Amino acid sequence: AQSVTQLGSHVSVSEGALVLLRCNYSSSVPPYLFWYVQYPNQGLQLLLKYTSAATLVKGINGFEAEFKKSETSFHLTKPSAHMSDAAEYFCAVSSISSGSARQLTFGSGTQLTVLP
Amino acid sequence: DAGVTQSPTHLIKTRGQQVTLRCSPKSGHDTVSWYQQALGQGPQFIFQYYEEEERQRGNFPDRFSGHQFPNYSSELNVNALLLGDSALYLCASSFGTVEKLFFGSGTQLSVL
Repeated sequence: AQSVTQLGSHVSVSEGALVLLRCNYSSSVPPYLFWYVQYPNQGLQLLLKYTSAATLVKGINGFEAEFKKSETSFHLTKPSAHMSDAAEYFCAVSSISSGSARQLTFGSGTQLTVLP
Repeated sequence: DAGVTQSPTHLIKTRGQQVTLRCSPKSGHDTVSWYQQALGQGPQFIFQYYEEEERQRGNFPDRFSGHQFPNYSSELNVNALLLGDSALYLCASSFGTVEKLFFGSGTQLSVL
């Protein structure tokens, strides 16, 4: 079974400050890892994904994440927070199963607040 | 190009009733997955449909069932509703593998 733990259900940063959202995973096989963002009353939007290529993954809106196998981590960062980054962020791991289909296991989410 | 569309956006039911939620995948996508997102939690996988068959199922009771039509659209049915079924139900579509899921805005179900 695979699982994801997001440390910190709420994170507050000042506008222009570094954003760091933490995610640790558990997987018995090489994982595929994802970060999604959810704005109020909307579905989830993919920010970035790791699929066993480069360990440093760049995504949309200036976000990036680094896969660290030794630490089983996939933390999300952004050098300078913007007010529009305020949202809920979810880390997810994919579960390889029979056939070509896979399913995602999500963490419980981190609510990011950006202070002016 | 329309993305993933879900209907209705909001729904109120009472305990014991049955509900049907609908999802139209993004154009060109053939796989539909359903997720339940309870308040303050991450989405939980319910099941996935491909070629009109349920291919994967999460840890949900048989009260949750689904269907995929030849045009790839999908329905999620929940029977004998419980208060605990109140949640945001998200549909996601993809082509083949799940590395790039596109999510709809969801259906907010309230069970009273």
